[in-house]
Amino acid sequence: GAGVSQTPSNKVTEKGKYVELRCDPISGHTALYWYRQSLGQGPEFLIYFQGTGAADDSGLPNDRFFAVRPEGSVSTLKIQRTERGDSAVYLCASSLRGASQETQYFGPGTRLLVL
Amino acid sequence: SQKIEQNSEALNIQEGKTATLTCNYTNYSPAYLQWYRQDPGRGPVFLLLIRENEKEKRKERLKVTFDTTLKQSLFHITASQPADSATYLCALPASGGSYIPTFGRGTSLIVHP
Repeated sequence: GAGVSQTPSNKVTEKGKYVELRCDPISGHTALYWYRQSLGQGPEFLIYFQGTGAADDSGLPNDRFFAVRPEGSVSTLKIQRTERGDSAVYLCASSLRGASQETQYFGPGTRLLVL
Repeated sequence: SQKIEQNSEALNIQEGKTATLTCNYTNYSPAYLQWYRQDPGRGPVFLLLIRENEKEKRKERLKVTFDTTLKQSLFHITASQPADSATYLCALPASGGSYIPTFGRGTSLIVHP
C-alpha cells in the first residue's frame, strides 16, 4: 500500500475485555514500531520489531500488553483485561531497515476507549 | 533516559510571520534530532532531521537549528500560512546509539489569516 494502515480506526470496549489492534506497514519495511499517545502528549514507545522478532519490548507497560508479527509484515497489538487507563491512541510506524536516523512512517492510529 | 521539553502553550501568530518553536533536552547530547508535524486525528509526519555536527538545516520554508551547548533546537517556519497550523513534535534517540525516538509533547501552532 501507499502508507501505513491501522484497523480499526476507533475501538470502544468495556473494562476487562480483550482487544486486538492491527497494523499494516509499508510493503518492504522490515522495522515496525508501536507507540501509545495520550491526549496532549507525544507518542510513547511500546515495542519494536525487526522482521518477525521483537527486538525491543522495553516500552510495554505490563504483561497485559503483547504484540506479534508472525510473517514479518502485519503486526497485531493485543491488550488483555483492558483498563480505563489504557484509553489512548495507539500508533504504528514502519521504516525500511530500522537503522538509526531512518525516517519512520506513521499510520493514522487506533483510538481506543475503555469504558 | 532523555527528557524533552516543548512549550505546552499554543503559539498563535499572524499569517506571513515567522513561527519559532523550541525544543530543549536534558541529559546526553544526541547524535541527531528530528521534527515531526501532527494534524488532529493523524499520525506524525517526518519533516526534518538535523545531525549534531550541523548547525542549521533548511527545507523550503522550514529551518531547524541545533545548539548542542544550549541543548536546544529551534524550528522556524517562515511566511507562515493557516495550513501550517498543527502540532509540531521534536524527537531524539532515547539513548546513545538508540534507534528508538523519544518524543516531546509537542507545541500547537495556530496561524491566523
